[in-house]
Amino acid sequence: QTVVTQEPSFSVSPGGTVTLTCGLSSGSVSTSYYPSWYQQTPGQAPRTLIYNTNTRSSGVPDRFSGSILGNKAALTITGAQANDESDYYCVVYMDWGISLFGGGTKLTVL
Amino acid sequence: QLQLQESGPGLVKPSETLSLTCTVSGGSISTSDYYWGWIRQPPGKGLEFIGKIYYSGSTYYNPSLKSRLTISVDTSRNQFSLRLSSVTAADTAVYYCARQVRTGTSKYYFDYWGQGTLVTVSS
Repeated sequence: QTVVTQEPSFSVSPGGTVTLTCGLSSGSVSTSYYPSWYQQTPGQAPRTLIYNTNTRSSGVPDRFSGSILGNKAALTITGAQANDESDYYCVVYMDWGISLFGGGTKLTVL
Repeated sequence: QLQLQESGPGLVKPSETLSLTCTVSGGSISTSDYYWGWIRQPPGKGLEFIGKIYYSGSTYYNPSLKSRLTISVDTSRNQFSLRLSSVTAADTAVYYCARQVRTGTSKYYFDYWGQGTLVTVSS
């Protein structure tokens, strides 16, 4: 059974840069998996940040960027702000029609 | 502006069937460009894909839930629904409905989400 892996937690200083990653328990994440990223704050529905590996959703600041780094999808936040403190989820699309969510990364800005 | 709204009982007894409906407004569910999906989140835990449906009725289910799951669509009411049978406390979660893009070069992401509804499984 394929599992999507993410760092459980990460910490970044205000104004700093952080890269969160999204891997597969078996194999590599490539653009063919159409990786997407979502931000969620407590009590709220997820918000779409990045889709198709590196396309920002409407209204998402350009300090958020997506890429493939090695064998993983990556979400980079440049110039982190206090309100970026959230849970971040990646999703990969499997060719049998199922979307797999990663376990999420809890980002702390301090 | 597209909106999705989940509705259904907030409390379900163990072994019974959980039923939720997602009502889509501001756009038609009968479009070839999208799937309509369900995602859930147990309290304090991560998001889990449940399944999705195309307006024609084609479905894709999470294998771990497939034996208990039915997703259906009612195009006349612009709604789609979830039924999960034989529920246990492990099915307690916030249930979200969402739209997934299915066409174009950028696809297979969820672009609109409902606000979510908490379903508790308890006697």
